[in-house]
Amino acid sequence: LAKTTQPISMDSYEGQEVNITCSHNNIATNDYITWYQQFPSQGPRFIIQGYKTKVTNEVASLFIPADRKSSTLSLPRVSLSDTAVYYCLVVRYSSASKIIFGSGTRLSIRP
Amino acid sequence: DAGVTQSPTHLIKTRGQQVTLRCSPKSGHDTVSWYQQALGQGPQFIFQYYEEEERQRGNFPDRFSGHQFPNYSSELNVNALLLGDSALYLCASRQQGNSNQPQHFGDGTRLSIL
Repeated sequence: LAKTTQPISMDSYEGQEVNITCSHNNIATNDYITWYQQFPSQGPRFIIQGYKTKVTNEVASLFIPADRKSSTLSLPRVSLSDTAVYYCLVVRYSSASKIIFGSGTRLSIRP
Repeated sequence: DAGVTQSPTHLIKTRGQQVTLRCSPKSGHDTVSWYQQALGQGPQFIFQYYEEEERQRGNFPDRFSGHQFPNYSSELNVNALLLGDSALYLCASRQQGNSNQPQHFGDGTRLSIL
């Protein structure tokens, strides 16, 4: 599975748009890019997943360029409750799909 | 529709003891994976169960073992507990045949070793 690299931490302010970029240079053809959010003492919560181009749901957008070697999670108009750790993962959904977590990006939102 | 549930939420043990953690997968899911998350780190994959068999295993010693029951629920057993086993233990589930559906996580069991 491709290893992912993302910033260790980021700071922003309420109401701003936050973009977290992740690199995954060795992504394979069948791999998906998946983002999870984790609050302290809780399990990771699925945010969004994509294969190529752009995916949008009610909480975030995911931008994936044509070469798929990187991806950007975009959180529109963040609030204090978006303070959390965000994990970028490359997932291969085979008969033995497992996911490998990195250290994630610790996002801190200030008032 | 209940998500992934884990029990207990917290547990305190001493070195050398044994512990069993339990997980009920999300309704409709048949595959269960276990992860260990030390403080300040990302979750580390322990193993995965499907059709009551261990299908994949991460880099964890044999002290870590598991089981999956016919109703898809699962147990994680850890023997001869060490101080370094203190962590949040997470269970995740998914439906094996559902091609690209992501894993869903429970909120974990916080295990403290004294």
